[in-house]
Amino acid sequence: DTAVSQTPKYLVTQMGNDKSIKCEQNLGHDTMYWYKQDSKKFLKIMFSYNNKELIINETVPNRFSPKSPDKAHLNLHINSLELGDSAVYFCASSQENRGYTFGSGTRLTVV
Amino acid sequence: GNSVTQMEGPVTLSEEAFLTINCTYTATGYPSLFWYVQYPGEGLQLLLKATKADDKGSNKGFEATYRKETTSFHLEKGSVQVSDSAVYFCALSDSGGYNKLIFGAGTRLAVHP
Repeated sequence: DTAVSQTPKYLVTQMGNDKSIKCEQNLGHDTMYWYKQDSKKFLKIMFSYNNKELIINETVPNRFSPKSPDKAHLNLHINSLELGDSAVYFCASSQENRGYTFGSGTRLTVV
Repeated sequence: GNSVTQMEGPVTLSEEAFLTINCTYTATGYPSLFWYVQYPGEGLQLLLKATKADDKGSNKGFEATYRKETTSFHLEKGSVQVSDSAVYFCALSDSGGYNKLIFGAGTRLAVHP
């Protein structure tokens, strides 16, 4: 029943590793997003896809690569993880004039 | 560019006190404005929204009015409860056409019995 689901909820990994976070929405929305929330709770958009097409790509290191196999899924792959990548990553989806729905977040800790 | 400024927290109140969290924005065009709430350990939930000037959004006793003349969208509640303790985010929807949300820094509210 969950509208926007992310996995895993928690991820602890060592520096230099490669990891992926998955997101799925069952709302039929056309647009999906990844947001990053830092340790001070500040939220900033990273990427947005509309119908599998990348439409927003903020200033994010190219170690971060989003992939959208279909409009219901938007995954985030991170290469060569660094300490500064530790944050909570939120997936979200939206449809024109219907507002956003956020996932519950993935807390990434790089040690 | 577009931006949102919120009052710094934390805001600490006793139960049944009046709450105001200030939010001002800078934007070109006519953005939509939102308040989101994040309870401890959870994701963001939409609390209320307003899509045009003078609109008032309301939900669960919270209210905010879209004031174009002062570029503000202050959040108010007449009587807070312990269960309102959370982080509150003001946000605007970028009018660039892709619904990008621009968030304020968040204001932590702690309500004590």
